[in-house]
Amino acid sequence: NAGVTQTPKFQVLKTGQSMTLQCAQDMNHEYMSWYRQDPGMGLRLIHYSVGAGITDQGEVPNGYNVSRSTTEDFPLRLLSAAPSQTSVYFCASSSPRGFRGRPYEQYFGPGTRLTVT
Amino acid sequence: GENVEQHPSTLSVQEGDSAVIKCTYSDSASNYFPWYKQELGKGPQLIIDIRSNVGEKKDQRIAVTLNKTAKHFSLHITETQPEDSAVYFCAAIMEYGNKLVFGAGTILRVKS
Repeated sequence: NAGVTQTPKFQVLKTGQSMTLQCAQDMNHEYMSWYRQDPGMGLRLIHYSVGAGITDQGEVPNGYNVSRSTTEDFPLRLLSAAPSQTSVYFCASSSPRGFRGRPYEQYFGPGTRLTVT
Repeated sequence: GENVEQHPSTLSVQEGDSAVIKCTYSDSASNYFPWYKQELGKGPQLIIDIRSNVGEKKDQRIAVTLNKTAKHFSLHITETQPEDSAVYFCAAIMEYGNKLVFGAGTILRVKS
């Protein structure tokens, strides 16, 4: 298994541009999530999905959209990039036995470092 | 909603010494408490977790303790090694919840 993969690894955007961060997992996990990591603030949940066709907002959803058309893929879209969205973005997935659709025992991808100028 | 505080923000120990990182949480309904280790340039990796029906859990040199009455839990690393140097995150989630809430992280440096 490749686990959780994210592309691109690095991205530089200008203010106002849009882009999609890709996330895929090959473990047939039901739960997938997007976090952003900023210095001194830990990991903050942006959006999550408990299964194909189901998404919901996390702690910091503004400026981001998600969709979950398949079990494997969970892309994160930045609608109009702002300097405040400069961060490292992590995708994670999980499907722990006995806890379907819960973020227990999450597997994280390698991250995407995004800079907005 | 849940709020998780983590201390200290940085911790330096001598190789072979023990390291302790502490977290407190606000929601008494939280019942799952994982710890993640993040090495430089990588995504976080789950190293140990504990559920509220257990007071302590060990896995070789690492252990986690939970005090539900005081709403705090701690990570203990014994006989630290240079490869333990990383950022450690604690987290908490409510029973039947969908959102994991993380602490701000602790940078652990093990000096050889």
